[in-house]
Amino acid sequence: TQLLEQSPQFLSIQEGENLTVYCNSSSVFSSLQWYRQEPGEGPVLLVTVVTGGEVKKLKRLTFQFGDARKDSSLHITAAQPGDTGLYLCAGEVGSNYQLIWGAGTRLIIKP
Amino acid sequence: NAGVTQTPKFRVLKTGQSMTLLCAQDMNHEYMYWYRQDPGMGLRLIHYSVGEGTTAKGEVPDGYNVSRLKKQNFLLGLESAAPSQTSVYFCASTRDGVTEAFFGQGTRLTVV
Repeated sequence: TQLLEQSPQFLSIQEGENLTVYCNSSSVFSSLQWYRQEPGEGPVLLVTVVTGGEVKKLKRLTFQFGDARKDSSLHITAAQPGDTGLYLCAGEVGSNYQLIWGAGTRLIIKP
Repeated sequence: NAGVTQTPKFRVLKTGQSMTLLCAQDMNHEYMYWYRQDPGMGLRLIHYSVGEGTTAKGEVPDGYNVSRLKKQNFLLGLESAAPSQTSVYFCASTRDGVTEAFFGQGTRLTVV
């Protein structure tokens, strides 16, 4: 069974703090996607990382793909209440034509 | 551009009743998926389709059936609802199975 483990499961911090959430697996992924899901909505894609060691920035969000393409991290600088949501990672494995999903990190940013 | 549209958004069923959830996408995507999302368990794949007229089982298919008679539509059926099927159901589509997944807004189903 291919698993994507996300940690922490839940994180509540004050506005302005920095945080990092993780997505780990024993499997090698061809690519990995990060989504954010807000209450009552479906997940929305934030970024896709493809190359081992790749770093992508989206304003205050920094995404990194591990060198071995088995793990990824999302770092948020100076978190804001608008960053509140469920962050999901999803990995592409081989030619399975399916994405493997992590259980998500629920993030709450308190004003 | 509507993207992925799910109907209904909310539904309450009694145990043993049946219902169909409808998913429609206007992006001409080949791949469509039905997931259920439960607290702490992320998205679990129920069934998926790689093209019109095809369906396949996912991780948790028991108690559900699907049909993809038209490319743009993917239907999820519950023949005899059980309380364990209380969940939020999401439909998604992708162009080729592994690029960006577009999701509907979800259907919150409660089985009493």
